[in-house]
Amino acid sequence: GQSLEQPSEVTAVEGAIVQINCTYQTSGFYGLSWYQQHDGGAPTFLSYNALDGLEETGRFSSFLSRSDSYGYLLLQELQMKDSASYFCAVRVEDSNYQLIWGAGTKLIIKP
Amino acid sequence: KAGVTQTPRYLIKTRGQQVTLSCSPISGHRSVSWYQQTPGQGLQFLFEYFSETQRNKGNFPGRFSGRQFSNSRSEMNVSTLELGDSALYLCASSLSGVPNQPQHFGDGTRLSIL
Repeated sequence: GQSLEQPSEVTAVEGAIVQINCTYQTSGFYGLSWYQQHDGGAPTFLSYNALDGLEETGRFSSFLSRSDSYGYLLLQELQMKDSASYFCAVRVEDSNYQLIWGAGTKLIIKP
Repeated sequence: KAGVTQTPRYLIKTRGQQVTLSCSPISGHRSVSWYQQTPGQGLQFLFEYFSETQRNKGNFPGRFSGRQFSNSRSEMNVSTLELGDSALYLCASSLSGVPNQPQHFGDGTRLSIL
């Protein structure tokens, strides 16, 4: 079967750095995406990694290791507005590039 | 550029009824995906349409169906509603659904079953 594992909840302090991990077991892999969803809001796209390494976009970075079937989202200089749920999603390398989703990580930020 | 539009935003139905939800993708986007989200749960994939054809399907019963029109607008139908169908239904569009294209989500339709 296809599965993605990510922690259900992570707590961090404002101004700190936090890492949200995602491990996947899929039949084929094309790329790993991250999405952010605030309570009551719609998910919004954050990043996409197809190759090994770190991709940086402002305070957010995303890392991928294809050999370890593992990736993470790194959030720096945490702000209260970063309190949200974060989802990893994998594009599997089948004929239709199906997108498989993790259950999401709720990030709680304390002042 | 207008975003993904879902209608209605809120809907209340009773068990046994059926419901149709609508999604208008971003102009030029041809791939539309539907998801079900319940409180504290992740996104459960329902199906994806591309060029009026269902390209992928999740593990939902046959009561859940959808279609896509030539202008890429999509509808989702749920028949014989059950209490467990109460959820937020999200629609997402992308240009063509190829791997490196992000999905753009609408605000969802919140369906409550009484």
